[in-house]
Amino acid sequence: KQEVTQIPAALSVPEGENLVLNCSFTDSAIYNLQWFRQDPGKGLTSLLLIQSSQREQTSGRLNASLDKSSGRSTLYIAASQPGDSATYLCAVPETSGSRLTFGEGTQLTVNP
Amino acid sequence: GAVVSQHPSRVICKSGTSVKIECRSLDFQATTMFWYRQFPKQSLMLMATSNEGSKATYEQGVEKDKFLINHASLTLSTLTVTSAHPEDSSFYICSATRRRSGNTIYFGEGSWLTVV
Repeated sequence: KQEVTQIPAALSVPEGENLVLNCSFTDSAIYNLQWFRQDPGKGLTSLLLIQSSQREQTSGRLNASLDKSSGRSTLYIAASQPGDSATYLCAVPETSGSRLTFGEGTQLTVNP
Repeated sequence: GAVVSQHPSRVICKSGTSVKIECRSLDFQATTMFWYRQFPKQSLMLMATSNEGSKATYEQGVEKDKFLINHASLTLSTLTVTSAHPEDSSFYICSATRRRSGNTIYFGEGSWLTVV
C-alpha cells in the first residue's frame, strides 16, 4: 500500500525567503505526482503535475522535482510572500487517473 | 476558473435527515470521480470512487448504505449522506481527472456539512 509522507508538518518563514517542502512515497511505481495548495476551509488548487518520466516542473516561483528511484519530490518556493501561506499537499495516484494517496500536508506561514 | 464545481459549499442539516452534494466537471467528461472526506487539520481520506454508469467502489470502512453515490452522467456525481449524524459533520471534496491535461486531477471547492 502506498504511503506518502510530508516533512515538515509546519513551517513558518519571513517574507522573501526561499523554501523547500518535502514529500516522500514508499512505492516508486507511480504514474505522476501532483502538488496542491489548500487554503483554510477551501478546496484544493492544483499547483504542479510531474509525470513519472519528468524530473521537474516549473510554474512561476514554484519548482517541483521528482526522483522516483528514491521516492522523493520537493516543492521549491522562491521569494516567498504572505499570500503563499496555506497548506501544501502532495499526492500520487496508483495508476493513471486513479485514486490519490495524499501526504498529511505542510502548513506554511509566511510572515510579513 | 474552476473546472470542477461542487454544490452546496455549506449545508446545515438536522440529525436524521439526508443531504445531497453535487460534483460537476464543467468542461470535460469524467468517467470517474472521487469523493474525499477531510476532518479539521487532517489530510484527505478517500471515501469512494464514483463510476459513470455503474456502482461506486467504496473504501474499507466506508458505509455504502450511508454514503450513497450516483454517477448519473459523464459530468455529474452526487454524494448523499443518509440519516446524518453529528459525527458526519466534515468537509467533503470531490475530484475528477481531466485526461487531455495530462491526467491532471482537479478538485471541487468542497462542501462543509454540519449536522445539528
